[in-house]
Amino acid sequence: EVQLVESGGGLVQPGGSLRLSCAASGFTFSSYSMNWVRQAPGKGLEWVSYISSSSSTIYYADSVKGRFTISRDNAKNSLYLQMNSLRAEDTAVYYCARDLPGYSSSSDYWGQGTLVTVSS
Amino acid sequence: QSALTQPASVSGSPGQSITISCTGTSSDVGSYNLVSWYQQHPGKAPKLMIYEVSKRPSGVSNRFSGSKSGNTASLTISGLQAEDEADYYCCSYAGSSRVFGGGTKLTVL
Repeated sequence: EVQLVESGGGLVQPGGSLRLSCAASGFTFSSYSMNWVRQAPGKGLEWVSYISSSSSTIYYADSVKGRFTISRDNAKNSLYLQMNSLRAEDTAVYYCARDLPGYSSSSDYWGQGTLVTVSS
Repeated sequence: QSALTQPASVSGSPGQSITISCTGTSSDVGSYNLVSWYQQHPGKAPKLMIYEVSKRPSGVSNRFSGSKSGNTASLTISGLQAEDEADYYCCSYAGSSRVFGGGTKLTVL
């Protein structure tokens, strides 16, 4: 069974940093591209970042470019999101999501999310 | 990276059909057949319902169908059921990024 379990969320002050992790199981993690998608309280989904299976291709939303860094460790079946210079508008539930094979640009499995709250 | 445009809400009675539109631009929806649709129930993670405009993942009911014309994609749900009541989001590839729609709340009357 495919499972994605996010961790690392919590309360952080504006300007602070946080590192999110996503532990993957039930599939060959190294064969799939992954994403981070966030959802502010009561708001819609916002794509944050993409990383290819080998980490050779990485993309970011303009809203986080230069502040967030996506990475993965295929040996540990884990995906990460390093978040620096956090702002109040970064407050959201952060989901990790696995892409379908190929170039569908669609995510077929999602974790349950981890809440990040940026507040003083 | 402007959000795709969806109606805020739609409604229908059990057994009826509804269609949710998703309007983008020539830089996203209009340029790629890489539109997907997600269903999200309150407090739950999104679920993929349609990918590549009109393909259904295994396990998704054939009551759900997708299409695209120009810069606008559409999700149609036929034979509405109470369990279909949820938020629906479209998403499109946009070059080196993805963009979601603002979401549509479906109410089954």
